[in-house]
Amino acid sequence: TQLLEQSPQFLSIQEGENLTVYCNSSSVFSSLQWYRQEPGEGPVLLVTVVTGGEVKKLKRLTFQFGDARKDSSLHITAAQPGDTGLYLCAGATNAGKSTFGDGTTLTVKP
Amino acid sequence: DTAVSQTPKYLVTQMGNDKSIKCEQNLGHDTMYWYKQDSKKFLKIMFSYNNKELIINETVPNRFSPKSPDKAHLNLHINSLELGDSAVYFCASSPRAGWDEKLFFGSGTQLSVL
Repeated sequence: TQLLEQSPQFLSIQEGENLTVYCNSSSVFSSLQWYRQEPGEGPVLLVTVVTGGEVKKLKRLTFQFGDARKDSSLHITAAQPGDTGLYLCAGATNAGKSTFGDGTTLTVKP
Repeated sequence: DTAVSQTPKYLVTQMGNDKSIKCEQNLGHDTMYWYKQDSKKFLKIMFSYNNKELIINETVPNRFSPKSPDKAHLNLHINSLELGDSAVYFCASSPRAGWDEKLFFGSGTQLSVL
């Protein structure tokens, strides 16, 4: 069973601070996705990373895929209350089955 | 237009009852899924269908039976509901199953078994 561990599990910060969320596994993935989920809604896809070492930016969010394609990080610059939510990483294999991490709950206080 | 829609949003029922959750996607995707999210927010795949064919069936009790009448619909029927079935069930779709799978989720069905 492929496991994805996210850290930290909970993060509470003030508006304007920077933060990094980590997603680690002992398994190699063909691609890795990051999702954000708000209360009462389904996860929404933020980004897909495919190549080892790949870096993608989405406004204030920077995503990196590890060189060995086993881990990933999400960095948020100058966090805003609108960034509050549950962040989930998911690794996909050639078999077409996504394994989700255990989530990071982010709270950004005004 | 809602891309992936599932009904009902909330489902409260007694132990032992049978219930169904419906899901439809209007994205033209080939692959649809059912995921279960527990109280700790952990998302686990239950089933996956590609063009109406079952391709993933995780260790889910036989009481759970998915049905895909066409590639735009994937319903989930649950027999003899148990307390442990209480969770949020998400339907999702993706253009295709594979290494670059991108999932589009519905807004979930919160099932409470009393």
